Amino acid sequence: QQQVKQSPQSLIVQKGGISIINCAYENTAFDYFPWYQQFPGKGPALLIAIRPDVSEKKEGRFTISFNKSAKQFSLHIMDSQPGDSATYFCAASIITSGTYKYIFGTGTRLKVLA
Amino acid sequence: GAVVSQHPSWVICKSGTSVKIECRSLDFQATTMFWYRQFPKQSLMLMATSNEGSKATYEQGVEKDKFLINHASLTLSTLTVTSAHPEDSSFYICSARDPGGGEAFFGQGTRLTVV
Repeated sequence: QQQVKQSPQSLIVQKGGISIINCAYENTAFDYFPWYQQFPGKGPALLIAIRPDVSEKKEGRFTISFNKSAKQFSLHIMDSQPGDSATYFCAASIITSGTYKYIFGTGTRLKVLA
Repeated sequence: GAVVSQHPSWVICKSGTSVKIECRSLDFQATTMFWYRQFPKQSLMLMATSNEGSKATYEQGVEKDKFLINHASLTLSTLTVTSAHPEDSSFYICSARDPGGGEAFFGQGTRLTVV
């Protein structure tokens, strides 16, 4: 019940296109949903995050759409660029026994073709 | 965003020796820090959660005597891999939670190679 399911596993998009990555969860106790971008050999970098009381959040070319009733959230990358080629992880945060824990999806390897 | 500094970025050590990895939150006080291990092309595997001033909470299957975690201050947590073996070679990443906004920020990661 603490899993976060992420899809697709890999994604190829043409430059200028829209990249869409989806995540789903079961536990309604999750209260914070961040997305991370990771380049090879580097730590993940926080891209954008949303809380369940908001249905959409936009920061630049990145948008999170959140569907509380469906327990799904997605990352949209508009006008995708080759520099966006990286692995993207969704995550969900929960408090258990007084400690915060972040549950990560399995990751999506995005490749944007020039 | 907030900065979490991890050091060293890579280390090579001989089998049987110990290696210490440091994780610092540079512009916020992190009451909670996390240590992850990441295998190639896989997601992050949580090893343990450390709370400042108390013992770390280890995930199931992680040997606490092998992976020693110390969170002595609000800005520093260390992971010591004791008696390292080649199978401990991996990418280790720390994360610190900013209690202000609730975000978790990651360090740059440490590539450990045990020869």
